[in-house]
Amino acid sequence: TQLLEQSPQFLSIQEGENLTVYCNSSSVFSSLQWYRQEPGEGPVLLVTVVTGGEVKKLKRLTFQFGDARKDSSLHITAAQPGDTGLYLCAGEWIRDDKIIFGKGTRLHILP
Amino acid sequence: KAGVTQTPRYLIKTRGQQVTLSCSPISGHRSVSWYQQTPGQGLQFLFEYFSETQRNKGNFPGRFSGRQFSNSRSEMNVSTLELGDSALYLCASSPLDSLNTEAFFGQGTRLTVV
Repeated sequence: TQLLEQSPQFLSIQEGENLTVYCNSSSVFSSLQWYRQEPGEGPVLLVTVVTGGEVKKLKRLTFQFGDARKDSSLHITAAQPGDTGLYLCAGEWIRDDKIIFGKGTRLHILP
Repeated sequence: KAGVTQTPRYLIKTRGQQVTLSCSPISGHRSVSWYQQTPGQGLQFLFEYFSETQRNKGNFPGRFSGRQFSNSRSEMNVSTLELGDSALYLCASSPLDSLNTEAFFGQGTRLTVV
């Protein structure tokens, strides 16, 4: 059983469109992070959310942490080919402080 | 400031052999964690070291081990390699004494077991 479920697994959309990807769990997390990973590289941290209901914006990316700290979403406005990559969410599990990763959403933006 | 450095980048080994991977964290970072990434399982936590002590461990068999040196550099070792150990092994360093902080990843070591 995957503690952090990411959906969709794959997403291919046209440049300029908007999209939302999700990271869901039945467990509570102390904090949650989003990373982007490109082929042949390690994940790069995009944002950390800590407070339930928190919303953070990073240019065209908007991150939200659920009120109950069990889920999160990433919304991209006007997607660009440079947004292509594997988006991973990771949470610090409140039960044992371990960092748990989701399997990721593989995003492909078509020019 | 140099990032997290992992060596080697690529490695091919035969079943039954053992392998050692190296990770140099960002200068000043004392926490180093290791992950295994495969297409089927995603990123899975192996272990975390802080001040030369293993602080946390994932659910991997005893064939997977690691250590951290006084300069915070870390190594992981896999003995009696199996085909299923083929994966991207990622090392991440953090500035504080807990994983409750941002992790900075290296580029990984791509291990292929044949």
